[in-house]
Amino acid sequence: GAGVSQTPSNKVTEKGKYVELRCDPISGHTALYWYRQSLGQGPEFLIYFQGTGAADDSGLPNDRFFAVRPEGSVSTLKIQRTERGDSAVYLCASSSGLAGGKDTQYFGPGTRLTVL
Amino acid sequence: KQEVTQIPAALSVPEGENLVLNCSFTDSAIYNLQWFRQDPGKGLTSLLLIQSSQREQTSGRLNASLDKSSGRSTLYIAASQPGDSATYLCAVVNNNDMRFGAGTRLTVKP
Repeated sequence: GAGVSQTPSNKVTEKGKYVELRCDPISGHTALYWYRQSLGQGPEFLIYFQGTGAADDSGLPNDRFFAVRPEGSVSTLKIQRTERGDSAVYLCASSSGLAGGKDTQYFGPGTRLTVL
Repeated sequence: KQEVTQIPAALSVPEGENLVLNCSFTDSAIYNLQWFRQDPGKGLTSLLLIQSSQREQTSGRLNASLDKSSGRSTLYIAASQPGDSATYLCAVVNNNDMRFGAGTRLTVKP
């Protein structure tokens, strides 16, 4: 595709519900990243995929957060038992993966999650 | 743990001014440093990427410098325009993850 796309663009849910956020990376990019950005802050790293496997998931805040990338392309970030503190913009980025996690990352527009 | 700080948090200048945005980081063992632009409600647009072996990168009216030993980078914007108004984020890569500063919110007044 022309760029990284994310769906939905906005998601409003109630506390305790389960949500899934989707990311479509640039075609051919093997590396995919998830970040979370709270208001007035820079993005915070969550997880990095190289192909189908999570190469680094050290940024996931707790076990309510999980991400998959079963075919090495589309990725889904899953949040269980959502809490109000999970409200943020969730950004996805992809890169060619040729330099591990060190090449230019291209970002999607983000999904704004609001937990009521 | 890498800490990235950006100063100032906000900056307002009249159109036409040259300006400098500052970024500092605590762990100098970085692979690269990247400057991004973020418009309200939008994702991030990469402006410049400086590899750890480089000292600076230029693109149009933008020039970014890197002093790895002192843990500092600056983004210089020449002849600022109202269209430059946005939040500018600095990010450094150690290993496989990218750490961001909180950004500088720039307003260029016509």
